[in-house]
Amino acid sequence: AQSVTQPDIHITVSEGASLELRCNYSYGATPYLFWYVQSPGQGLQLLLKYFSGDTLVQGIKGFEAEFKRSQSSFNLRKPSVHWSDAAEYFCAVGSGAAGNKLTFGGGTRVLVKP
Amino acid sequence: GAVVSQHPSWVICKSGTSVKIECRSLDFQATTMFWYRQFPKQSLMLMATSNEGSKATYEQGVEKDKFLINHASLTLSTLTVTSAHPEDSSFYICSAIGQGSPSYNEQFFGPGTRLTVL
Repeated sequence: AQSVTQPDIHITVSEGASLELRCNYSYGATPYLFWYVQSPGQGLQLLLKYFSGDTLVQGIKGFEAEFKRSQSSFNLRKPSVHWSDAAEYFCAVGSGAAGNKLTFGGGTRVLVKP
Repeated sequence: GAVVSQHPSWVICKSGTSVKIECRSLDFQATTMFWYRQFPKQSLMLMATSNEGSKATYEQGVEKDKFLINHASLTLSTLTVTSAHPEDSSFYICSAIGQGSPSYNEQFFGPGTRLTVL
């Protein structure tokens, strides 16, 4: 069965600093990988996804993620964090038809210091 | 585009009563909808997958007689928590994919419904 681990429960970063969120997955086949952001009162929003091809994926809001098969990782990065990036971030692996069945990691809460 | 709404956003009910939560795709036809449960400060757990016009597929450990799912139209799925008890208190989130959504196979999530059972 697939699983996703996000080792960091909380991360605090200063505004303007870089951010990296870790994600490790376990899945027997080629994974469909996703990063979502959850803000209070709003539904989860897809930041980016990896299905195949280029292992460096660009997403919305200036985020990018790199798929590393050898490390079973899909870490999310942003070069310069804005106060509006404070939220909960979830990594997910998709299985089943077209990767629609999502298994989420435990999430990482990002706090942004002014 | 690709907006999914849920109603109500929060509900409080007495133990033993049933509660219905609606999930609507507002600007696309959702051929498939998913229901998740999120405990405080925890991740989302997939409960079931529903396809329009057919019975829902429940994940292992999810009681289908407790959590009734109906996907009667291409824009509406409902989750009914029957005979709710305090341990059913949680945040319930739906998502939808389907025809006409901006990105094929991308799940669009509703804002969630917080259920508190007294």
